[in-house]
Amino acid sequence: AIQLTQSPSSLSASVGDRVTITCRASQGISSALAWYQQKPGKAPKVLIYDASSLESGVPSRFSGSGSGTDFTLTISSLQPEDFATYYCQQFNSYPHETFGPGTKVDIK
Amino acid sequence: QVQLVQSGAEVKKPGSSVKVSCKASGGTFSSYAIIWVRQAPGQGLEWMGGIIPIFGTTNSAQKFQGRVTITADKSTSTAYMELSSLRSEDTAVYYCARSQVPTLYNWLDSWGQGTLVTVSS
Repeated sequence: AIQLTQSPSSLSASVGDRVTITCRASQGISSALAWYQQKPGKAPKVLIYDASSLESGVPSRFSGSGSGTDFTLTISSLQPEDFATYYCQQFNSYPHETFGPGTKVDIK
Repeated sequence: QVQLVQSGAEVKKPGSSVKVSCKASGGTFSSYAIIWVRQAPGQGLEWMGGIIPIFGTTNSAQKFQGRVTITADKSTSTAYMELSSLRSEDTAVYYCARSQVPTLYNWLDSWGQGTLVTVSS
């Protein structure tokens, strides 16, 4: 089964900072990767799909890149509403241990 | 945009079963897939399985096979997830979510509000 790892597991940042989160797959998954944002007590919300496509309505400060095994989510200028936990998800292969363990972004 | 509305919180005894519903509005229910994801307290997201109503196709993660039953009623645009032989480790928020295309292996663009299932004696 494909394993996803995320780094870092948590980070502290300030408003306006550029933030980068990495997701690594244990084997190649082409571009079959999505990124989600989850706030406490809320359902996840998709930000990026197919590794680099921005979901409609998501601010352009979010971007995704990568293919194969290494992927990145970047927030170009962190805003107060961006403090949340971020998950990657692969949808290339079954069985689906699909989600990464998450990266919590909090206020420095 | 599809809206998914789930049934309310449940408290169950160990060894019993729970059935959570997920009613869709907007879009064409049969043309997409419904996936079930759970999240234990303070933990990450766990893909459980899903159903493609137009085909009746279901699949579930190996961990849940034999314990989970996923069904759909096209007449009411409602999907169901039933989990049996409950144990304390099944205490979690259960989400339904939609894949825009009729495959179980896709990103998820709409999510229900979540249903808290508590397993306790």
